[in-house]
Amino acid sequence: GAGVSQTPSNKVTEKGKYVELRCDPISGHTALYWYRQSLGQGPEFLIYFQGTGAADDSGLPNDRFFAVRPEGSVSTLKIQRTERGDSAVYLCASSLIWGDTQYFGPGTRLTVL
Amino acid sequence: AQSVTQLDSQVPVFEEAPVELRCNYSSSVSVYLFWYVQYPNQGLQLLLKYLSGSTLVESINGFEAEFNKSQTSFHLRKPSVHISDTAEYFCAVSTNTGGFKTIFGAGTRLFVKA
Repeated sequence: GAGVSQTPSNKVTEKGKYVELRCDPISGHTALYWYRQSLGQGPEFLIYFQGTGAADDSGLPNDRFFAVRPEGSVSTLKIQRTERGDSAVYLCASSLIWGDTQYFGPGTRLTVL
Repeated sequence: AQSVTQLDSQVPVFEEAPVELRCNYSSSVSVYLFWYVQYPNQGLQLLLKYLSGSTLVESINGFEAEFNKSQTSFHLRKPSVHISDTAEYFCAVSTNTGGFKTIFGAGTRLFVKA
């Protein structure tokens, strides 16, 4: 079956612009996670959705970051007023339930110039 | 807050030698433990996990890890490595104490030499 997909695979933007990153989880997975990975580091937790609601958004670095999952499947991570420090690979993962195996997408590489 | 420490950033080892990749975490309260692997030019995928029950867990390709609650460790071992085991290995802890987070270590790059 289809795995987790993320679009776009690469995004280059200018400082101050707004970006949206999309994640399509595995069908039937109620849990969805967003991470950010910088070079040489492990994935950094951003937010966890259970169904449509954000059960834990404590990893979002500031109020420029926001994520939604309106129908309990596709999720969008939104970043306003991008900064050069936002450059990283943004990973999405899904699992059947929280705490179980997470299946990762290929990531979106965001570059802020 | 929960933290995960992978003590070695790089581990070079010869083919057919044993290897241990170390992982320590800060709290044993309500944790699930995972090792994920990222092969060159591929995405993260699960290697093995501990949710409950037997503290020794194994993967299909010969890796094993043991949940040690007293030492808050979940070290990964393999008695004989192959060239194909060259990859980055990440230890991760999921905890529902104070939220629902999964915390990853910084990763250990295993390089198997012929």
